[in-house]
Amino acid sequence: GDSVTQMEGPVTLSEEAFLTINCTYTATGYPSLFWYVQYPGEGLQLLLKATKADDKGSNKGFEATYRKETTSFHLEKGSVQVSDSAVYFCALRDTGTASKLTFGTGTRLQVTL
Amino acid sequence: ETGVTQTPRHLVMGMTNKKSLKCEQHLGHNAMYWYKQSAKKPLELMFVYSLEERVENNSVPSRFSPECPNSSHLFLHLHTLQPEDSALYLCASSQVTVNEQFFGPGTRLTVL
Repeated sequence: GDSVTQMEGPVTLSEEAFLTINCTYTATGYPSLFWYVQYPGEGLQLLLKATKADDKGSNKGFEATYRKETTSFHLEKGSVQVSDSAVYFCALRDTGTASKLTFGTGTRLQVTL
Repeated sequence: ETGVTQTPRHLVMGMTNKKSLKCEQHLGHNAMYWYKQSAKKPLELMFVYSLEERVENNSVPSRFSPECPNSSHLFLHLHTLQPEDSALYLCASSQVTVNEQFFGPGTRLTVL
């Protein structure tokens, strides 16, 4: 079945550091890929998405490129801020599965001054 | 109200209680979902309603009973829960044909 594997956290960075959160997936079809973010006390918000191979999703300085050859969708940001502290979830929606999303376990990011 | 709202935000209940969680979406969507979020585990999809019909039930114990009276409202009725059911319960909605799901803030449930 479908699965998503994320790097275990927490990830602790100083402000303005470079961020990478790894995500790899297993799917039987041609999935769409997503990154969601969950700030403390809130639900999940869509951060960015990519629907086909080599697409790059971007939002708020975050980027991720859909790499079919390595089945990866790593999240990157060039310079993190304290306000980026949150839990980040990688997810996929496989073809033929209606609106079902498969999530990773989430990676907590803590950014300090 | 905008987006997806959930009430209550926090709930503490005993194992013999009966309670209900409520979700309401103000986005004009036609699909709604219940997820369970436990520490250090992936989000678990519990139920999916599409066009007010339940289309998915991921082997959820019968002590959880969903209800979708219309496309804007979704309930999760709880009875005789176990302590391991303590978690954050998230509601989401979407258009059936569109990838993106919109999430509510969740209900933090504690079963004593």
